[in-house]
Amino acid sequence: DTEVTQTPKHLVMGMTNKKSLKCEQHMGHRAMYWYKQKAKKPPELMFVYSYEKLSINESVPSRFSPECPNSSLLNLHLHALQPEDSALYLCASSLHWATGELFFGEGSRLTVL
Amino acid sequence: ELKVEQNPLFLSMQEGKNYTIYCNYSTTSDRLYWYRQDPGKSLESLFVLLSNGAVKQEGRLMASLDTKARLSTLHITAAVHDLSATYFCAVEGMNRDDKIIFGKGTRLHILP
Repeated sequence: DTEVTQTPKHLVMGMTNKKSLKCEQHMGHRAMYWYKQKAKKPPELMFVYSYEKLSINESVPSRFSPECPNSSLLNLHLHALQPEDSALYLCASSLHWATGELFFGEGSRLTVL
Repeated sequence: ELKVEQNPLFLSMQEGKNYTIYCNYSTTSDRLYWYRQDPGKSLESLFVLLSNGAVKQEGRLMASLDTKARLSTLHITAAVHDLSATYFCAVEGMNRDDKIIFGKGTRLHILP
């Protein structure tokens, strides 16, 4: 199984809602990532988990809260988002942190009204 | 600080032509990756280049890495419309905890 699975594929939420994005991989990868991508831009790193511990938080606002319940799962909890947070949110995994090839999920397209 | 520059950022070309996308980076690295992204889709890994002189080929695409020049190229041979996409290079620094830095991407539009 070489897939990274993200749900939901599309999400529309109001600024007062609380929602979560979910990501799952069964490749035995020990590093998992959240990226945010705006149209016509490269992905921007948000968070990195290595061996289920948060290794990098790229100064992301606290309205985004990551969680890594186990080595296969990664969540991104969303609360009180702003319209400018609308973007494609990509989950990725790699064998280990800082060892390269990233495997991306299909992404969750988020629209904040 | 590692910086990654791709050029061109946009390329429109005719089917059947050859062209090259360049990826320059600013600090020592011997780990470079190429990804493809179709509109509205996620990123797909194309090539992993892990040493100086590495060359990988898949169909009409060939990628190479020159670590001394800090340059990778993605060469397209006899382009076909299906290769229209955005191509990103991504570079990993040499230090243990270095992040992967993406270039801005090259939007490739191949005219039938």
